[in-house]
Amino acid sequence: EILLTQFPATLSVSPGERATLSCGASQTVNSDLAWYQQKPGQAPRLLIFGASTRATGVPARFSGSGSGTEFTLTISSLQSEDFAVYYCQQYNNWPKTFGQGTKVEI
Amino acid sequence: QVQLVQSGTEVKKPGAPVKVSCKVSGYTLNDLCFHWVRQTPGKGLEWMGAFDVADGDKVFAQNFQGRVSVYVDTSTDTAYMELSSLTSGDTAVYYCAAARGLLSWFDAWGQGTLVTVSS
Repeated sequence: EILLTQFPATLSVSPGERATLSCGASQTVNSDLAWYQQKPGQAPRLLIFGASTRATGVPARFSGSGSGTEFTLTISSLQSEDFAVYYCQQYNNWPKTFGQGTKVEI
Repeated sequence: QVQLVQSGTEVKKPGAPVKVSCKVSGYTLNDLCFHWVRQTPGKGLEWMGAFDVADGDKVFAQNFQGRVSVYVDTSTDTAYMELSSLTSGDTAVYYCAAARGLLSWFDAWGQGTLVTVSS
């Protein structure tokens, strides 16, 4: 099973600032990595797939990078609606696994 | 754009089974794969299994082998997940998620179904 480690667990950021979230894989997943955003009481929402491709409707301030075992999600200028928990997921191998999440808080 | 609407909250006794439904709209059921994921405060997001509608392939997480069943009813465009022999450890929010292939990201998620297991 591929373990995904996200850090930091919590990121405190002011609106308008840049946020950088990291996800490390225990073995290579190539570029088969997705990022999801989850707000309280809601289901996760796809942001990024293929490590760097934004999903339909996702604002350009969200960007993903990385390949192999190291990945980054960057939010260039945090808006109020971006405060949420972010999960990375690998779909390269079975079982599909998720990181434990990074909470982005004000 | 695919939309998924799940069935409502369930309260079950230990040992009982639960069935969660996931109705699809906005996309052709046969072009989708359905994944089931549960979420608990302690274990986070846990993938349970997946079903490829087009060819009937199924893959399950080892933790759920023999206890979970996934299938679809094409007449109603609905996917189902059944989990048997429930314990308190199965108390969680269960999500269906749609993907374009078994080895693909999850394009859309249902709203979640809370399953509480309590005597």
